[in-house]
Amino acid sequence: DGGITQSPKYLFRKEGQNVTLSCEQNLNHDAMYWYRQDPGQGLRLIYYSQIVNDFQKGDIAEGYSVSREKKESFPLTVTSAQKNPTAFYLCASSRDHSYNEQFFGPGTRLTVL
Amino acid sequence: SQQGEEDPQALSIQEGENATMNCSYKTSINNLQWYRQNSGRGLVHLILIRSNEREKHSGRLRVTLDTSKKSSSLLITASRAADTASYFCATANTGGFKTIFGAGTRLFVKA
Repeated sequence: DGGITQSPKYLFRKEGQNVTLSCEQNLNHDAMYWYRQDPGQGLRLIYYSQIVNDFQKGDIAEGYSVSREKKESFPLTVTSAQKNPTAFYLCASSRDHSYNEQFFGPGTRLTVL
Repeated sequence: SQQGEEDPQALSIQEGENATMNCSYKTSINNLQWYRQNSGRGLVHLILIRSNEREKHSGRLRVTLDTSKKSSSLLITASRAADTASYFCATANTGGFKTIFGAGTRLFVKA
């Protein structure tokens, strides 16, 4: 099956801890994205990557970091600098940066205790 | 600031009725897309309409785009209980790289 996966589905973190969310795709897509979704709201872009070894900040990058060492993988680290990290995190990919249909993973719900 | 804003925020209809959702945006776009999200899940792409298109169909979905009014509508005909979900419009600016999502319309279809 081709698709995009995220793990874990639920994640709990204590304040002051860093945590890494996994995102993997086997669609051979060049572009990948991380979004944050708060209850009853739309998606806000955290980081995006157009190609391997390259990524750019989105609208709300503070307190987050990413890497893109492999085409298939785009992990997101939520650092202790993120003041309000409890949210639903969605990873997406698209064929390339000019082809806008995005394919989404199932999401990770992060709760800070 | 968000580019797309959906209206209404929530919509409740009976099975078999049509559902219409609207989206307004502020700046020039390359294309506009509609996505669906079931509760607690990822988004699923429904349809993309380019700025030079006025109407597009896909099964029970009909999307219109009026660039002069900077608005789009999504019509779901003969709705089913399984259509219950949130629907988001998303706009891509020129160059098409950054896609901006609205806050969504929550649709509830009663059986």
